Amino acid sequence: KAGVTQTPRYLIKTRGQQVTLSCSPISGHRSVSWYQQTPGQGLQFLFEYFSETQRNKGNFPGRFSGRQFSNSRSEMNVSTLELGDSALYLCASSLRYNTEAFFGQGTRLTVV
Amino acid sequence: QQQVKQSPQSLIVQKGGISIINCAYENTAFDYFPWYQQFPGKGPALLIAIRPDVSEKKEGRFTISFNKSAKQFSLHIMDSQPGDSATYFCAAEDSNYQLIWGAGTKLIIKP
Repeated sequence: KAGVTQTPRYLIKTRGQQVTLSCSPISGHRSVSWYQQTPGQGLQFLFEYFSETQRNKGNFPGRFSGRQFSNSRSEMNVSTLELGDSALYLCASSLRYNTEAFFGQGTRLTVV
Repeated sequence: QQQVKQSPQSLIVQKGGISIINCAYENTAFDYFPWYQQFPGKGPALLIAIRPDVSEKKEGRFTISFNKSAKQFSLHIMDSQPGDSATYFCAAEDSNYQLIWGAGTKLIIKP
């Protein structure tokens, strides 16, 4: 059974640009969550999608957006990148609530 | 009320010792409490989880102790090994199925 796949693994962008990250969940998982991880801030929740609908949203500015497709694959987009957006972005999928969330290896975004 | 407070921030334990990480919460609607383990360069992975209807759950060397009245839960790692060196996160799931995360504990096991 394939795990959660995130692409790309590494990304370097310039301040002001936009970026799109992709996440393919485990087959059959309908819930996909996105997190930002930085050394000093731990895991910060961005948003969660379930069956193509955004079910939960964290406290991030509108520059951060996401979507989920009918095959449960998800993308997140960050527009007008800032230096502070440099982080590891993690995606997690789960079958339903109260069950294990499986994480991908993340996309390391560096904004210069 | 949505916070999960995790302590300590970092922990050094001798090989063979017991590692203890604590978490506290306020929201009584939380009903699922997992612990995740993260190694450098990897995403977190579920270690062990508990629901509030039990006070303790053990899986191998890992035990969750849950105190519903005190709104606290803790992870105990018995016979800690160098391979246990990692960052550990506690979490709690709220009524909207969202996981609320602790800040993490960096555990180092000294050989």
